[in-house]
Amino acid sequence: DAGVTQSPTHLIKTRGQQVTLRCSPKSGHDTVSWYQQALGQGPQFIFQYYEEEERQRGNFPDRFSGHQFPNYSSELNVNALLLGDSALYLCASSLDDLAGTTNEQFFGPGTRLTVL
Amino acid sequence: AQKITQTQPGMFVQEKEAVTLDCTYDTSDPSYGLFWYKQPSSGEMIFLIYQGSYDQQNATEGRYSLNFQKARKSANLVISASQLGDSAMYFCAMREGPNSGNTPLVFGKGTRLSVIA
Repeated sequence: DAGVTQSPTHLIKTRGQQVTLRCSPKSGHDTVSWYQQALGQGPQFIFQYYEEEERQRGNFPDRFSGHQFPNYSSELNVNALLLGDSALYLCASSLDDLAGTTNEQFFGPGTRLTVL
Repeated sequence: AQKITQTQPGMFVQEKEAVTLDCTYDTSDPSYGLFWYKQPSSGEMIFLIYQGSYDQQNATEGRYSLNFQKARKSANLVISASQLGDSAMYFCAMREGPNSGNTPLVFGKGTRLSVIA
């Protein structure tokens, strides 16, 4: 059973550039959430996709956008990169709601983005 | 205000000893869930244990147990018989509202645990 996968593993960009990160959810999962984890901090929720629509969004600017495909995989796009966007970007997948379980989110290994 | 507070930036424990990692939370929602995740240097967040706000008993999963004190709003993680492989960052997280996989998690800042041989 494949877990959550993310690509690329590492990425180096310069200020002002644009970046696209990719995520494939755990088999059978239909919901993908993206988190940003700055150095020394806990992850912060960016947004969530379900049925190819953005369902919820955290306190992040419009420079952060995303997409979900029919196979439930997802992309995170960041435009006009700032130095402060340097972070580990984590993708998490889950089922919308499964009674009788903890409904925990399963995380991928993350993409480490460095903005110079 | 911080919703999840982890006051221990770093902890050391001798191999085979037990260790407690502290977590306090703040919510006015009567329905919530508390999670602990382990993050090794590889970056992946590994789910350890879950406690629902209506659960009567403290959660246990192998060597992990959760000391849930609802009135004090604390959910401390206890790791028994520590192993060298337990060295990692540990995050406490909360999900407010119904027990649904689509509710975002709010994380604390984490505690770095180092197990000494």
